[in-house]
Amino acid sequence: GESVGLHLPTLSVQEGDNSIINCAYSNSASDYFIWYKQESGKGPQFIIDIRSNMDKRQGQRVTVLLNKTVKHLSLQIAATQPGDSAVYFCAETGDDKIIFGKGTRLHILP
Amino acid sequence: GAGVSQSPSNKVTEKGKDVELRCDPISGHTALYWYRQSLGQGLEFLIYFQGNSAPDKSGLPSDRFSAERTGGSVSTLTIQRTQQEDSAVYLCASSRNQQGSEEKLFFGSGTQLSVL
Repeated sequence: GESVGLHLPTLSVQEGDNSIINCAYSNSASDYFIWYKQESGKGPQFIIDIRSNMDKRQGQRVTVLLNKTVKHLSLQIAATQPGDSAVYFCAETGDDKIIFGKGTRLHILP
Repeated sequence: GAGVSQSPSNKVTEKGKDVELRCDPISGHTALYWYRQSLGQGLEFLIYFQGNSAPDKSGLPSDRFSAERTGGSVSTLTIQRTQQEDSAVYLCASSRNQQGSEEKLFFGSGTQLSVL
């Protein structure tokens, strides 16, 4: 949904553990989904995408899972590192619109 | 290669003054987007350009905000009579094809606007 007016939720993870960031998307007609990573002082950057005809896609240390039944998207980061500290946004595309999720701040504990 | 470039990176202005923010998209990208991000918050959509036209202006918060795009390339976001609540990071993004296609957005680093 729209990300206006709310402070970002924070996920704190021990360095080396796996991180799971969740996103509930809003439009059942959305057919393309992207995860973006935003580091401090920078714009969001593409991490990984998935089309609606898939339920899982893997990248380097990252995996995106899509559950269309419950309109849920998740990003899994394996062996979390300090450089993974950032805000993560999901985005859905459908009906000629792009909608960003509210974002989740990932905080890495030493 | 060259990414999305925004200028200035920081802008401090007095309440009531007008400001112009500039975005240079990636060459050849037909779609251009402006977003606003307040401190510690998510992305607020402002406006979308396809070529030089703006089929979606639904996010502009008031008539003090306007944007244009010329030559299918550079875009300028203008805020007139700035207010303190306009203080935020203004992000520009571009993509190869129109919104709604399976395209990833490439973002600039943003302009940090501070209205005193």
